[in-house]
Amino acid sequence: QVQLVQSGAEVKKPGASVKVSCKTFGYTFTNYDINWVRQATGQGLEWMGWMNPNSGNTGYAQKFQGRVTMTRNTSISTAYMELSSLRSEDTAVYYCARGRAARPINWFDPWGQGTLVTVSS
Amino acid sequence: QSALTQPRSVSGSPRQSVTISCTGTSSDVGAYNSVSWYQQHPGRAPKLMIYDVSKRPSGVPDRFSGSKSGNTASLTISGLQGEDEADYYCCSYAGSYTPYVVFGGGTKLTVL
Repeated sequence: QVQLVQSGAEVKKPGASVKVSCKTFGYTFTNYDINWVRQATGQGLEWMGWMNPNSGNTGYAQKFQGRVTMTRNTSISTAYMELSSLRSEDTAVYYCARGRAARPINWFDPWGQGTLVTVSS
Repeated sequence: QSALTQPRSVSGSPRQSVTISCTGTSSDVGAYNSVSWYQQHPGRAPKLMIYDVSKRPSGVPDRFSGSKSGNTASLTISGLQGEDEADYYCCSYAGSYTPYVVFGGGTKLTVL
């Protein structure tokens, strides 16, 4: 079945970068976008951006532009999200989710299990 | 502050129905029939329940239904069951440029 499996929890110091991976199974990786969504503890969902694995094209929420980079390795059906200049407010669970490559973006399914990123000195 | 507005909490008794609203603007909910809803149990990843305003993915019970009027979308859960107790998030496409996608702040559903 379609499955997204993310890398394990990370602890980073302020100012550092983190790179989270999302390995996909059960479908053709290049046929769907990968989106990234984060959730701070006890808070709601926050969409960060999309990446098209076929073209490598990306689109980021304005809040993250300049700090986030979404990439992929098609040979291993894996997407990556790197967030730089980390601050304590970036402490959250980060999810990858499959989305439609065409527009409009109208669903995210399925989601990865989530990766907890903790930013602490 | 979230882009889409949802009530913080709703509640209902088993077998009753509840409706969760999601209010956006003419640039997101009102502009596109691309509203989706997600269910999230504590400690779990979100699960797609409704997409394109009112479509159900395979495997989602028909107790879950969606609708939209103007800038407000709604999720209705009928015949409430204990397992429906969870957080629910609405989401809307917002155009071909950032922010592209916006989420609501989430609604905690309590089954009494």
